[in-house]
Amino acid sequence: DARVTQTPRHKVTEMGQEVTMRCQPILGHNTVFWYRQTMMQGLELLAYFRNRAPLDDSGMPKDRFSAEMPDATLATLKIQPSEPRDSAVYFCASVRDSQNSPLHFGNGTRLTVT
Amino acid sequence: GENVEQHPSTLSVQEGDSAVIKCTYSDSASNYFPWYKQELGKRPQLIIDIRSNVGEKKDQRIAVTLNKTAKHFSLHITETQPEDSAVYFCAAYGNNRLAFGKGNQVVVIP
Repeated sequence: DARVTQTPRHKVTEMGQEVTMRCQPILGHNTVFWYRQTMMQGLELLAYFRNRAPLDDSGMPKDRFSAEMPDATLATLKIQPSEPRDSAVYFCASVRDSQNSPLHFGNGTRLTVT
Repeated sequence: GENVEQHPSTLSVQEGDSAVIKCTYSDSASNYFPWYKQELGKRPQLIIDIRSNVGEKKDQRIAVTLNKTAKHFSLHITETQPEDSAVYFCAAYGNNRLAFGKGNQVVVIP
């Protein structure tokens, strides 16, 4: 059963530190999404890539967040500097073709910024 | 962009009864509507989906209905069991992205 792999599962860091989250999409999936989940806002789309090209990052605070896909097997989400309000669960999801296809989610990275 | 709303936010049902969650969407061009179940501390997982050329789909105890004219779709869970307790998210695919509702907490009371 192919799965989206995210690392780390948990991250606790102090305000101001850089945080890097990684995602390995399912092999053959060409579209990768980053979502942030909080109790108040639910699942928010931060950014997504198709064939490694960024298509939309309008949901992402540009001043501190950056998302990249250096190759087809790795997507990264960085926060620099991190702030307490960034505390959330960050999910990566991938799909073979985003047209009418279900997303497969990773297990998420639970980030706590103190 | 697409806007998806879910009602009610929390739903408590007696074990064995049915649960219904309703969602509305804004973009009439949306053509794919999945439902995800998320248990506490776990990732969202697809439970059922429906495409715009179909009005209803059923898989054992769960079913989804779609009304394109009214732009709403619903999840039906029959003969609820304690393991159905979770947060359920509806979503709508339009404008090259999947927009999620904020989720419904379903609590099945034994």
